[in-house]
Amino acid sequence: DVKVTQSSRYLVKRTGEKVFLECVQDMDHENMFWYRQDPGLGLRLIYFSYDVKMKEKGDIPEGYSVSREKKERFSLILESASTNQTSMYLCASSEETQYFGPGTRLLVL
Amino acid sequence: GQQLNQSPQSMFIQEGEDVSMNCTSSSIFNTWLWYKQDPGEGPVLLIALYKAGELTSNGRLTAQFGITRKDSFLNISASIPSDVGIYFCAGQFYNAGNMLTFGGGTRLMVKP
Repeated sequence: DVKVTQSSRYLVKRTGEKVFLECVQDMDHENMFWYRQDPGLGLRLIYFSYDVKMKEKGDIPEGYSVSREKKERFSLILESASTNQTSMYLCASSEETQYFGPGTRLLVL
Repeated sequence: GQQLNQSPQSMFIQEGEDVSMNCTSSSIFNTWLWYKQDPGEGPVLLIALYKAGELTSNGRLTAQFGITRKDSFLNISASIPSDVGIYFCAGQFYNAGNMLTFGGGTRLMVKP
């Protein structure tokens, strides 16, 4: 079974803090993705990566950066968290079909 | 980015009833996927469809890849309370990264 894990299920941070969200997959997948999910807006792609050290912007990259130093790990970074980044963050990995992690619910105060 | 047209947005049904939901797109896709998301969890893949016209079942779930490659439906037969959740369709066109385009979701509520 494909396993995608995310470092935290719930996270509370203050405005201006630097936030790291980690995602690890155990299936040697090339592709990894970060989404955020908000009521009424569905799933929106922030960044994706199709190889180590490669990254591509998705639909809403502003305020975020990513790091893919190893194939199994894809990190999402909020350089200076803001309240409008309060959301559910979902990581996914794929060869052909995307498999999602359990999500991180981030609250920025 | 583009979002698929998924309907209905929500359904409130009696346990034992059958359920049908569908997605349409103005673009063609190589793959259609159906996911279910429980509250506070990530989406879980239910069914993947790879060929136009393909009809695939997974237990009480049946999904079809439309012949035009622009639509798909998901049916759930004899619904049970644990079917409650949000169901998402997603279309995939093979490219760098194999990105998905998602429907807005169908919220299913089942009354025991």
